[in-house]
Amino acid sequence: QQQVKQSPQSLIVQKGGISIINCAYENTAFDYFPWYQQFPGKGPALLIAIRPDVSEKKEGRFTISFNKSAKQFSLHIMDSQPGDSATYFCAANTIKAAGNKLTFGGGTRVLVKP
Amino acid sequence: EPEVTQTPSHQVTQMGQEVILRCVPISNHLYFYWYRQILGQKVEFLVSFYNNEISEKSEIFDDQFSVERPDGSNFTLKIRSTKLEDSAMYFCASSGTSPQNIQYFGAGTRLSVL
Repeated sequence: QQQVKQSPQSLIVQKGGISIINCAYENTAFDYFPWYQQFPGKGPALLIAIRPDVSEKKEGRFTISFNKSAKQFSLHIMDSQPGDSATYFCAANTIKAAGNKLTFGGGTRVLVKP
Repeated sequence: EPEVTQTPSHQVTQMGQEVILRCVPISNHLYFYWYRQILGQKVEFLVSFYNNEISEKSEIFDDQFSVERPDGSNFTLKIRSTKLEDSAMYFCASSGTSPQNIQYFGAGTRLSVL
């Protein structure tokens, strides 16, 4: 019940195209859903996050869509650029008083071809 | 921009040896975490630490693991007797004064157990 399932495992998109990554969760206690971007040799870095009281959040070329009833959320990367080539992880957690562990999806390796 | 610093970047050790992985969290942060990522797999939560004590730990974090904040700036992960399966990238993360704050990750320490 603690799992977050992410798909696809890898994605190749042409420059200017749209990358779409999907995640699904089971635990209805999750109340924070961040996406992290990881470049080779680096740690994950927060890209964008959403709470379940909104259905969509947009920051620049990155948009999260959230479907609470289906327990699914997705990341859309518009106008994909070669610099977006990275591994993307969805995550979820439950805000608690003493810190909040992140449960990560399996990751999606995105390659944007010039 | 403040960052989480981890040392060493790569640690090679023999099976059965003790290792200490070191982290300097962002200076005004109060919540600290260790995660690990076995090559090609998802990032997994190990332990969270707040107010000088463990707030949560995963089933991975058994008696061979311990954490410490020895001097108010460093945050360490000790593995007492390393096993081959401990080989992974270990990430330290920290977040601010509220559990709702973003977790910032270090670049990681690659632990290779031979």
